[in-house]
Amino acid sequence: QKEVEQNSGPLSVPEGAIASLNCTYSDRGSQSFFWYRQYSGKSPELIMFIYSNGDKEDGRFTAQLNKASQYVSLLIRDSQPSDSATYLCAVKVITGGSYIPTFGRGTSLIVHP
Amino acid sequence: ETGVTQSPTHLIKTRGQQVTLRCSSQSGHNTVSWYQQALGQGPQFIFQYYREEENGRGNFPPRFSGLQFPNYSSELNVNALELDDSALYLCASSLEPGEQYFGPGTRLTVT
Repeated sequence: QKEVEQNSGPLSVPEGAIASLNCTYSDRGSQSFFWYRQYSGKSPELIMFIYSNGDKEDGRFTAQLNKASQYVSLLIRDSQPSDSATYLCAVKVITGGSYIPTFGRGTSLIVHP
Repeated sequence: ETGVTQSPTHLIKTRGQQVTLRCSSQSGHNTVSWYQQALGQGPQFIFQYYREEENGRGNFPPRFSGLQFPNYSSELNVNALELDDSALYLCASSLEPGEQYFGPGTRLTVT
């Protein structure tokens, strides 16, 4: 059973702080890693993807991947109240030649003024 | 806007009925995936189509079936609806093995 684990939260941070969201996965064959943001009642929105070990930065967002430890994290710098949402971690694993996605349950982030 | 569209937006069905949900993928994408998302849960993978062939399936019964058309649009069919099928159904398109982009979803209520 391929699993993607996230702390459901809520994670509460003050405005302007760094929010750190973590995700672990069980399948060492996982190839690609994604972070989505989902506002209540809306569909997931892709905010970051990372394929190689290390850090990837895009504006206020940094994705970190450590394949040896099987975790991927998302840092949000200078958090804003508009960042309050559920953050979903997703992993794609090659199965039978196809890339099969698995999502975690999501971490609820609350940024308070 | 991702360029992925879904119809209808909302749907109410009665237990035992059948439903068809539709998705138009983003231009240039060759893969469509369908997900079921219950309240407070992450999206659960139903199945995936690549160039009109199902190439991956999650832990869903055979009454969940699908199609992908030559223009890469897709349908999700659910037969013999059950109350537990009430959920947000999401479609996502991608150019494999790249990132997926989601449509707005269809909210299905089974009564």
